[in-house]
Amino acid sequence: EPEVTQTPSHQVTQMGQEVILRCVPISNHLYFYWYRQILGQKVEFLVSFYNNEISEKSEIFDDQFSVERPDGSNFTLKIRSTKLEDSAMYFCASRPWGASSYNEQFFGPGTRLTVL
Amino acid sequence: KQEVTQIPAALSVPEGENLVLNCSFTDSAIYNLQWFRQDPGKGLTSLLLIQSSQREQTSGRLNASLDKSSGRSTLYIAASQPGDSATYLCAFQTAGNKLTFGGGTRVLVKP
Repeated sequence: EPEVTQTPSHQVTQMGQEVILRCVPISNHLYFYWYRQILGQKVEFLVSFYNNEISEKSEIFDDQFSVERPDGSNFTLKIRSTKLEDSAMYFCASRPWGASSYNEQFFGPGTRLTVL
Repeated sequence: KQEVTQIPAALSVPEGENLVLNCSFTDSAIYNLQWFRQDPGKGLTSLLLIQSSQREQTSGRLNASLDKSSGRSTLYIAASQPGDSATYLCAFQTAGNKLTFGGGTRVLVKP
C-alpha cells in the first residue's frame, strides 16, 4: 500500500544551523502539508502546498521556514537557523486531488528534530 | 478559530471492554473529521474519515459518529484488545486545507 516516507527519522543539530527535512508523498497526491508536534503538545499545522506554491501557512511558519518541491517526488521543509524551541516531531502529509471534504490526509512516520 | 478538545486525556480499561472516546469542537463549519491512532514516538495512522454530510462511519471494531449541532464526535472501539493501547487523536478540517487537532486520549487496555 502506498505510504508517505520521511527522512531522516532523527536529526540532531546545533542551534543556529540549517536543517532540511525530506518527505516523499504518495505518488498521485497533489496536496502536501507539514505539521509539527512538540513533545507532550498537540499536533500543529505549519504549511500546505499545492500547485508549486504555498496555499496556507500558520503563524509558526515564519521567515525561518521554507518549503520546496525540488523534483516530481520530494517535498522538503527547511529551517534556516534552528532554535531550541524548534525541537519537535515534524510530520509530512499528503492528500489526493479533489474536494477537501472527501479526502483524508495521509501522514508519514515523522522526523524527530533535536536542537542542542 | 477552531478549538478541539478531547476528554478524557487518559483512559485505562480491562481487555474486552468497549471504549468510548470523545472529541468536541467549537466551529460547526467543518468539512470533515479524521480519527488517528498514534503509537509512542511514531507517526499518525488514519483510522476513519467522516465527511460533514455523514453521521457516522464504521471500520471493523471502530465506529465514529459526528453531531455537528452539538459540536461532538465520538469514537467507539468494541471489545478492546491490548493492541488497541495507543493515543487516539481527532482532527477537523474547516475552510482551507489544514487539520486542527485535539490533544488526544491516551488509552491503555490491560490484559
